[in-house]
Amino acid sequence: DIEMTQSPSTLSASVGDRVTISCRAGQNINNWLAWYQQKPGKAPKLLIYMASSLESGVSTRFSGSGSGTEFTLSISGLQPDDFAIYYCQQYSRFLSFGQGTRVEVK
Amino acid sequence: QVQLVQSGAEVKTPGASVKVSCKASGYTFSDQYIHWVRLAPGQGLEWMGRINPNNGDTLYTQKFQGRVTMTRDTSISTAYMDLSGLTSDDTAVYYCARDPGYRSGWNYFDNWGQGTLVTVSS
Repeated sequence: DIEMTQSPSTLSASVGDRVTISCRAGQNINNWLAWYQQKPGKAPKLLIYMASSLESGVSTRFSGSGSGTEFTLSISGLQPDDFAIYYCQQYSRFLSFGQGTRVEVK
Repeated sequence: QVQLVQSGAEVKTPGASVKVSCKASGYTFSDQYIHWVRLAPGQGLEWMGRINPNNGDTLYTQKFQGRVTMTRDTSISTAYMDLSGLTSDDTAVYYCARDPGYRSGWNYFDNWGQGTLVTVSS
């Protein structure tokens, strides 16, 4: 399995902030990376695929970048609805997820 | 609209098996793979495997090989995940999720079921 490491594990932020979450792959995954948002008691929601493609219907405040082994999810103008856990997922070889990053209220 | 509706919560004793269903609607069931992912307490998301509803082909991650069986019934647009030899470590919310690829695995997930809590306890 390809190990996916997210940082930080927890991020404290305020409404209106720009936040950045990092995801590192244990080997080159080109741009085969997706990002999901999960709220308590709810299913994950696809935000980004192919590292930087925005899923239909997702706010343009979300953006993804990177390739190879280093990737970033950015959220601009953080909204109250954005406080959640975010996961990266590689699909280059089988599938594996990062451990998640909790975005909490500062 | 696309919907994946899963069966209800289950409580099982150690050593038992559980079968979770996932009924699809709003699209042609046979055209897109269904994956199963679980979320255990205090853990992250974990991919278990997937099924091609068109022909029944399956792919399981090594961790669950021999314990998991994924099947489907195309007549009722429903996928199933059967997990045997349950232990307390299998206590988790189990999700089905749709692959956006057309009759091929793109291997990420654009629609998810609501989740099924499986509790394993003696």
